[in-house]
This record gives sequence, C-alpha cells and structure tokens, in this order.
Amino acid sequence: GEDVEQSLFLSVREGDSSVINCTYTDSSSTYLYWYKQEPGAGLQLLTYIFSNMDMKQDQRLTVLLNKKDKHLSLRIADTQTGDSAIYFCAEIPGSTDKLIFGTGTRLQVFP
Amino acid sequence: DADVTQTPRNRITKTGKRIMLECSQTKGHDRMYWYRQDPGLGLRLIYYSFDVKDINKGEISDGYSVSRQAQAKFSLSLESAIPNQTALYFCATSDYRVGTQYFGPGTRLLVL
Repeated sequence: GEDVEQSLFLSVREGDSSVINCTYTDSSSTYLYWYKQEPGAGLQLLTYIFSNMDMKQDQRLTVLLNKKDKHLSLRIADTQTGDSAIYFCAEIPGSTDKLIFGTGTRLQVFP
Repeated sequence: DADVTQTPRNRITKTGKRIMLECSQTKGHDRMYWYRQDPGLGLRLIYYSFDVKDINKGEISDGYSVSRQAQAKFSLSLESAIPNQTALYFCATSDYRVGTQYFGPGTRLLVL
C-alpha cells in the first residue's frame, strides 16, 4: 500500500530538541518531504531530502533518512513556541505522480 | 496578495445541498489539486489536474466533481452534500515538481 505513518502527537519543552518520525512504504521514492501546517493555515513545504542522501541540515532542521528501514525523521533544534504546528511527511511513490501525505504529527511546545 | 486563494473560507450547509468550493492561483502553475483533511487521517487527494484539459481522480473522488475553468481556476463541487463530507478542504498548485506544492488557506465545511 501507500500508507505513510506518523505518530499523532509530540509534546516538548521550549529549548529542547524535537524529533518527528515517519515511516514510508515505497523504497523507490526519489524525494521525501516535510510540510508544516500552522494553526488556521494551509501547508507549507519545510524541507526535503533526495533519496541518495542520509542527512540534510538546514539551520535548526535536520532530516535523517534510513532507506533500509524506510524511516524518515525531522529534528528541530532549540524548539520554540512558534514551532507548534502539525508536521506532515510526504513521498511520491515511484509508480505514481501524486504526493502521498502521512497522517501528520501535532507538535506542542510548552514553556 | 496570496498566491493561492480559496472561497469561501467557511461554509455550513445541509444534507442534500449542492455546493461549490473555488480555488484561484496567481503562480502560473499548470498543476492543481484538491485535498481533504480529517483529524488523524492526514491529507487525502480528491482530484488533480495537470493542465486545463486534464482531470484525474484521486483516492477519494466519490461524491465529488471538479471543473478546471482556466489555468488559474479549479473548483470542487459536492453534488449532494452528506455529513461525512464535513472536513477541511485544501487546494494546492505546483509546477512539474509535484513534491513542491503551494497550498491555499483552506475551506472549513460543515454538513448538517
């Protein structure tokens, strides 16, 4: 199937690191994506990683890809209250031209 | 001005009514998409269009129809609304890079 799975909730203290995990199903996906949805808004592309990479870092964000286990993670360093949002991972399975989204992880940051 | 706009932003309707959700974009993208979002289910693709003459069903197209009136406009219709169509609906656009999509602000629909 084309299910992309994520845990539903994550709660962290301000200043700590957050790690959001995702398991995808299609090993032929060329790119994997992270989108962020702030309250009352649409989704925005946060970052992406090419499948031949293990890691990508962009300021406070670190994406790790384990192709063998089909596991993708997003680490947010020094998490701030403005990072509170729903985070979606997404893939384009090799046999399709559609972006398949995960179930989303709601990140709550408390002081 | 927003690149992708949706109207209305909120709508309450009754079972059996026909409603239309509209989407406009100024990004000049050929590709447009309609998704619905339900808590715990993520985003599911309803319909997508890769150009004005191209319409494709997504994973949950039953009960919905679409019209691509122009490159910039893509509307979603519920011919006879039912309560389980209560959800948040998003329009999105992209160029040939399907993974990079730009989303509208969403339409919150309640079917009574």
